[in-house]
Parts: sequence; C-alpha cells; structure tokens
Amino acid sequence: EAQVTQNPRYLITVTGKKLTVTCSQNMNHEYMSWYRQDPGLGLRQIYYSMNVEVTDKGDVPEGYKVSRKEKRNFPLILESPSPNQTSLYFCASSLQAGGQETQYFGPGTRLLVL
Amino acid sequence: SQQGEEDPQALSIQEGENATMNCSYKTSINNLQWYRQNSGRGLVHLILIRSNEREKHSGRLRVTLDTSKKSSSLLITASRAADTASYFCATDAGGGSYIPTFGRGTSLIVHP
Repeated sequence: EAQVTQNPRYLITVTGKKLTVTCSQNMNHEYMSWYRQDPGLGLRQIYYSMNVEVTDKGDVPEGYKVSRKEKRNFPLILESPSPNQTSLYFCASSLQAGGQETQYFGPGTRLLVL
Repeated sequence: SQQGEEDPQALSIQEGENATMNCSYKTSINNLQWYRQNSGRGLVHLILIRSNEREKHSGRLRVTLDTSKKSSSLLITASRAADTASYFCATDAGGGSYIPTFGRGTSLIVHP
C-alpha cells in the first residue's frame, strides 16, 4: 500500500531532550516536507527536500533540523526541544516538487514538550 | 508565508444541504488544490484546478477558480455527516515556485 509513515505517533518529552521523528514513504517520491499544525495558524512548512541531499528551509525552520540521506526517509530532528514546539507534525511527499503535484500526508505526530 | 486563506473559518450545516467554502490568495498561481483533514489526521487530496481552468467537478465536489479575483470556491453538494472535516486550499506562488502553501482551513460540521 502506498503510504507515508511517521513514528512515533505520540510523544511526550521534556525541554532540551533531543528527539527525532521519522518519516518514510514507499512511493519513490522525490519531494518531501515537514509541516506543523497549530490551532488558528493552519499548516506551516518547516523544511522541505527536493531530492536526496537537497533540503531547504520552509516558513518556520528555527529549532529544527532535517536530513535526506535516502530517498524514502526524511527525519525531523529537534536538537533541544522547547515548549513552543508542542504541536501536531505532518510529513508529506509528492512525486516531484511543484504545485501541480498531489501531496500525500502521513498520519501525524502529536508532540508535547514539557 | 500563507498564500491561501479560507473563509469562513467555521461552517455548520444540516445533512443534505450544500456547503460552500472559499479560498483567497495574494499572488498569481499555477495551480490550486483542495485538501480535506479529518480531526487530527493527515490531509487527503481532493481536487486540483489549474490556473487556466474555471471549474472542475469530482463527484459531489465542485471547484471554481477566478484568477481575476484571486479566489476559489469549493462546493460540496448534498452534504453528509461523513463530510465533517476541515478543508484547506493549497496554492503555489506561481512563477516556477515549488512550494505549496496552505491556508488555515475551514472547519465544516454536518449535523445528521
């Protein structure tokens, strides 16, 4: 089944404790991205990747890192999480970059930083 | 930066009624897409309309695009309780931009 998977789905952590949220897609998509969703703010893009080893900042990259060593994986790293990073996170992928492409979203990771 | 903005923020209707939500954007676009999100879950693509198209249908969905007004509308006809969800428009910024941007969404509640 074609899908985007994220792990973990729920995570409670404390300020400053490094964490990684994994994202994997099995559709051979080139374009992958991370969003965070907060009430009243909608979806905001954190980072995106056009292809392997090519990543770039979205609208809200501060406090986050990403890597794209393989086509299928695009982990989101929070080196030192803070409470303002409490949010619902979505990974998405599409065949290529571009507004004509359908994005496929993962199920979401709900993060609480205490 | 958020390119698309949906209106209204919330919409509550009875089953069987039509639901209309709008999306306005600021700069020229190549494409506009509508997505649906069930509570707390990932977004699911509904329909794409290109800048040279004015109207598109998919089942009970009808999307219009008015590039002169920089706006789009999504009409769901004969709504069902299962249509209860948030609906988002996503636009690219035109001019070769690769990055789709989402609005804040319209929350639709369909009462049985």
